[in-house]
Amino acid sequence: GAGVSQSPRYKVAKRGQDVALRCDPISGHVSLFWYQQALGQGPEFLTYFQNEAQLDKSGLPSDRFFAERPEGSVSTLKIQRTQQEDSAVYLCASSLMGTSGGVSYNEQFFGPGTRLTVL
Amino acid sequence: GDSVTQMEGPVTLSEEAFLTINCTYTATGYPSLFWYVQYPGEGLQLLLKATKADDKGSNKGFEATYRKETTSFHLEKGSVQVSDSAVYFCALNKNRDDKIIFGKGTRLHILP
Repeated sequence: GAGVSQSPRYKVAKRGQDVALRCDPISGHVSLFWYQQALGQGPEFLTYFQNEAQLDKSGLPSDRFFAERPEGSVSTLKIQRTQQEDSAVYLCASSLMGTSGGVSYNEQFFGPGTRLTVL
Repeated sequence: GDSVTQMEGPVTLSEEAFLTINCTYTATGYPSLFWYVQYPGEGLQLLLKATKADDKGSNKGFEATYRKETTSFHLEKGSVQVSDSAVYFCALNKNRDDKIIFGKGTRLHILP
């Protein structure tokens, strides 16, 4: 596709429900990132995939958060037993790994986000 | 740990005014620096970037210079327009760690 897409765009969940958020990266992009953006704050890193391998999950706030990218393309972020503090916009970004002038640099392209509200 | 600090908003200016949004960073090594913009109802977009000291990033009339001696990357524009109203995020990225570390954002309002 032309850009990163995410679905659903909006999700309302009752506390304790499980939710699944989907990210479709730009075709051919190797790297995929999830970020969490609380109201009035900057995005904060959650987890990173290179193809299907989850190389960094240091930003996941608890074991209720789980992400996967089984075929190295679409990714799903799952939140179990949602809590009110999980309310935020969840952003997905993808990048095409590359090197320029001997320096690795990967521009990340962001999707529109999924706004999760936990009641 | 690595972090980014930017001036708090909201910033309200009249059209054609000069804009500065301050940004300083703390990081080991030689990070790449970015300004991202989030227009109302839209996703994050890269506005400009600089990958090494003294580089100047520029786009759409905005500029920012990578100052390693002051660990700063201030965003400037000589004459703002109503269409520049948005939230601006200063950010850094360590080349070997691909995650981006963002500041809290500065909301900019431009009055006609």
